[in-house]
Amino acid sequence: GENVEQHPSTLSVQEGDSAVIKCTYSDSASNYFPWYKQELGKGPQLIIDIRSNVGEKKDQRIAVTLNKTAKHFSLHITETQPEDSAVYFCAARETGNQFYFGTGTSLTVIP
Amino acid sequence: DAGVIQSPRHEVTEMGQEVTLRCKPISGHNSLFWYRQTMMRGLELLIYFNNNVPIDDSGMPEDRFSAKMPNASFSTLKIQPSEPRDSAVYFCASSLGARAGGNGELFFGEGSRLTVL
Repeated sequence: GENVEQHPSTLSVQEGDSAVIKCTYSDSASNYFPWYKQELGKGPQLIIDIRSNVGEKKDQRIAVTLNKTAKHFSLHITETQPEDSAVYFCAARETGNQFYFGTGTSLTVIP
Repeated sequence: DAGVIQSPRHEVTEMGQEVTLRCKPISGHNSLFWYRQTMMRGLELLIYFNNNVPIDDSGMPEDRFSAKMPNASFSTLKIQPSEPRDSAVYFCASSLGARAGGNGELFFGEGSRLTVL
């Protein structure tokens, strides 16, 4: 089955700086890569996703890049704000199959 | 549009008791997933259903765990008998698969926090 690895497990940045979280996957059949943000006491919430026919996607301060050849994808958050502090999960999925999640990155934005 | 609805939000029970967690997926979604989240193991998939049919239950820890989906708008996860090591947050999530005309996005409920004493 698929194996998703996520790094780093914890990340601290100064407010206004950028944060980058990286994931690798093993199954070349995976074609959908979502990112989730989980705040304390809440369920994971989808913040951005990318499909295998696209190399980059942007939504305001958040961007995701995908390198299918190398089987890795990354989340980029620019101009970080304290409210960006949360746990972020990456995931990979092949159409119709289950989602495979990374182990999470705890992001702290220091005011 | 209501999201995935889970109940109860919190449950405290004693070892040996039966626990039933409930989930109402987003209307129209055809896939439903049950996850367990702990600090040690992260998000673990327990079981998922497509069109109310269990597809993969290999993540169910043992026979004490069972899940049902009697119709498209309701699912239960049951633990009988419960043990302290079952303490975790249990999430239900739903999606409308690409093959069913959706985009495959997965939406989570707020979770049920279970504490077994």
